[in-house]
Amino acid sequence: AQSVAQPEDQVNVAEGNPLTVKCTYSVSGNPYLFWYVQYPNRGLQFLLKYITGDNLVKGSYGFEAEFNKSQTSFHLKKPSALVSDSALYFCAVRDIGGGATNKLIFGTGTLLAVQP
Amino acid sequence: DAGVIQSPRHEVTEMGQEVTLRCKPISGHDYLFWYRQTMMRGLELLIYFNNNVPIDDSGMPEDRFSAKMPNASFSTLKIQPSEPRDSAVYFCASSRLNEQFFGPGTRLTVL
Repeated sequence: AQSVAQPEDQVNVAEGNPLTVKCTYSVSGNPYLFWYVQYPNRGLQFLLKYITGDNLVKGSYGFEAEFNKSQTSFHLKKPSALVSDSALYFCAVRDIGGGATNKLIFGTGTLLAVQP
Repeated sequence: DAGVIQSPRHEVTEMGQEVTLRCKPISGHDYLFWYRQTMMRGLELLIYFNNNVPIDDSGMPEDRFSAKMPNASFSTLKIQPSEPRDSAVYFCASSRLNEQFFGPGTRLTVL
């Protein structure tokens, strides 16, 4: 069965420093991977996805993620954190069980806190 | 495009009352998903539709919950009767290719 894990409930980083939010996955076959961000009192917003191609994927707001097949990871990164990046981040993998479907399996979320 | 539209944004009701949440997906999207988010349980998928047909309702907590999608531009999630433990934020999302697009959510409080 497909699954995704976010090992850190919270990540703290100082403004201007690089940030990494970790995600590992378990799938049978080729993974479709996603990152979403949720600001307080808002819905989830799509950040970026990996389907195929370059392992480094660039997304919205200066975020990028690196697909690493050997480590089954898809960590979210940003070279220089902003206070406004503080939010809840979700990693997700497409559930390919049962045929073609757009169902996603979400991780438990990682709260990113950027200190000024 | 206006994105996924949900109504109401906030709902406060008393235990035992019927609650109906509404969702308008993005035009052209053929998948629609209903999620529930709480601090204790995180983000849970309740049910999803493909071309207006329910595909997987295994996440629906119990018979008090029901969902319909009478056409491609409208879906409802109904709770009857509501209970205090149903208090949560309910999200609707729609999809055409791979990524899902979420609505702003309905914050439900059952007293």
